[in-house]
Amino acid sequence: DGGITQSPKYLFRKEGQNVTLSCEQNLNHDAMYWYRQDPGQGLRLIYYSQIVNDFQKGDIAEGYSVSREKKESFPLTVTSAQKNPTAFYLCASSITGATNQPQHFGDGTRLSIL
Amino acid sequence: GENVEQHPSTLSVQEGDSAVIKCTYSDSASNYFPWYKQELGKGPQLIIDIRSNVGEKKDQRIAVTLNKTAKHFSLHITETQPEDSAVYFCAGLQAGTASKLTFGTGTRLQVTL
Repeated sequence: DGGITQSPKYLFRKEGQNVTLSCEQNLNHDAMYWYRQDPGQGLRLIYYSQIVNDFQKGDIAEGYSVSREKKESFPLTVTSAQKNPTAFYLCASSITGATNQPQHFGDGTRLSIL
Repeated sequence: GENVEQHPSTLSVQEGDSAVIKCTYSDSASNYFPWYKQELGKGPQLIIDIRSNVGEKKDQRIAVTLNKTAKHFSLHITETQPEDSAVYFCAGLQAGTASKLTFGTGTRLQVTL
């Protein structure tokens, strides 16, 4: 089935560690996105990529990094510089990065600090 | 940038009744407004969307209305069922910003028997 796969579903990080969240899509979509979701808040955009080898910062990019070396993959690294990383992380994709294109989401990764 | 406000934060209705969730946006240039349903432990699922050249869109029991002058849009669910219980998010897309969606803070809908 076509879709967006995020792994792992749960992830634990020790203080000072970097961790990488995986996002893979087989929808042949050009654009991919990373959002952070905190309790009682809407989704906030971390990074987005409209095409392979290109990405832009979203509203809350500090403490995060991404890469887009392949069309189907958009991994997110949560670095030790992110002081409050505990959250639910959601990856999305759309056919293109043009306006008015629906975004479709994966089922998320929940990151917790040990 | 765009700011989207969503009300109410929680909504409880009896099965069979209608539910209405309202959102306002700040940027008059915004031109695309999707609605998402999120179940516990899952990612948001797109349920309906509307573009600024349309005032209303309907899909079975779900409808969305858009008032560009007042800068607000609403989700209407008729004949609610227990499986409609979830958190619903509205979002707005600011024109000229690729596909950068700004989300509301969500509405937890509870459909009681």
